[in-house]
Amino acid sequence: QVTLRESGPALVKPTQTLRLTCTFSGFSLRTSGVCIHWIRHHPGKALEWLARIDWDDDKYYNRRQRTRLTASKDTSKNQVVLTMTNVDTVDTATYYCARGGIPSEGTDFDYWGQGILVTVSS
Amino acid sequence: DVLMTQSPLFLPVTLGQPASLSCRSNESLVYSDGDTYVTWFHQRPGQSPRHLIYKVSKRGSGVPDRFSGSGSGTSFTLRISRVEAEDVGVYYCMQGTPPWTFGQGTKVDLK
Repeated sequence: QVTLRESGPALVKPTQTLRLTCTFSGFSLRTSGVCIHWIRHHPGKALEWLARIDWDDDKYYNRRQRTRLTASKDTSKNQVVLTMTNVDTVDTATYYCARGGIPSEGTDFDYWGQGILVTVSS
Repeated sequence: DVLMTQSPLFLPVTLGQPASLSCRSNESLVYSDGDTYVTWFHQRPGQSPRHLIYKVSKRGSGVPDRFSGSGSGTSFTLRISRVEAEDVGVYYCMQGTPPWTFGQGTKVDLK
């Protein structure tokens, strides 16, 4: 059974660094082709893809956010961490992690965590 | 980045009746390998998105066959053959190559 769960602070102050953790089970990030995506959702707006970290530690970032984002993994703990520096009120959103895989096999974005609402406010 | 535009933004539906949702991209989604990667998700209130359709028309694991996807190039459609109560929520399309982008969603609700 594949599960993912996001954790982190519900409230952060502007200019602080946000650190989110995705803890997963039912699959391994050591498996070739497997990755973890991070996506966020501002209420009333489109979902926004933020980052991807691959089984081989390749990383991809949203072009507009890339200077603020860092993804890392701890395969022994089945965890992926996303850090976002210098947050602002516009970063208030629900943040999701999702399993990624082979698009042609239907395993990309096939399982999502429950999401975590992060509010940026002073 | 590819812009995905969904219509309508709100779709009132009747139980047992069909429903059709549209998704258009501002450029062709035929990838370098010749395939087209469009994915549809369904998000019920208070839940995370659920994977429905991938590669335009392939149903995800456990997805009922009343859901079908079609389209090519820049125009894609999700159809529900007979709407059930559990189908309400927001449907998102996504183009499946980096950088991944989503449509703004179509909210489906009962009339």
